Amino acid sequence: QVQLQESGPGLVRPSQTLSLSCTVSGVSISDGNYYWTWIRHLPGKGLEWIGHIYYTGFTNYNPSLKSRVFMSIDTSKNRFSLNLSSVTAADTAIYYCARDNRGTQDNWGQGTLVTVSS
Amino acid sequence: DIQMTQSPTTLSASVGDRVTITCRASQSVRTWLAWYQQKPGEAPKLLMYKASTLQSGVPSRFSGSGSETEYTLTVSSLKPDDFATYYCQQYNSYPWTFGQGTKVEI
Repeated sequence: QVQLQESGPGLVRPSQTLSLSCTVSGVSISDGNYYWTWIRHLPGKGLEWIGHIYYTGFTNYNPSLKSRVFMSIDTSKNRFSLNLSSVTAADTAIYYCARDNRGTQDNWGQGTLVTVSS
Repeated sequence: DIQMTQSPTTLSASVGDRVTITCRASQSVRTWLAWYQQKPGEAPKLLMYKASTLQSGVPSRFSGSGSETEYTLTVSSLKPDDFATYYCQQYNSYPWTFGQGTKVEI
């Protein structure tokens, strides 16, 4: 079955860059039927769509984060990644990677807590 | 951005109850609307898409309806496993946006 697993540091210093990867198994990330998504759950708030990436490298980002977000994809490793620059405490959240199936997120990673603190 | 507003924020219910959650969009999302269930410590799980289509494996006690700006998720008879937080999400236009969540509690 399809599985996604996030990895990366759980603690990032303010003003630094948050970097996460998502390793996908059970499906090829080059499958043209899907986009690959990053979503975060901010404490005490709801879910925020960060953006997604297609296997070709085409991306759509949330305009609220667009100036700080960069996503990449490595089809040889079946993995995609998120970089979020100039982080502040407001970026502390649980970060999820997910598979976007025509707009719905039908498979999710377990999530990883990233804390921004000095 | 399309703003999604769910009501109620919290819903107290009992096993066997019929419950309904409402999701309102700030503009029409043309039934491009999904529902998710999230339990503590877990990732959200897709329940419904295209407003009323049940995701594979989801029990038939869940149903969805709606059009344009107003949508509902109904659980016909609550099971213990259904106590969770529910989110709606529109995918009519970028950026995809979620409601703030409805917690169904005992």
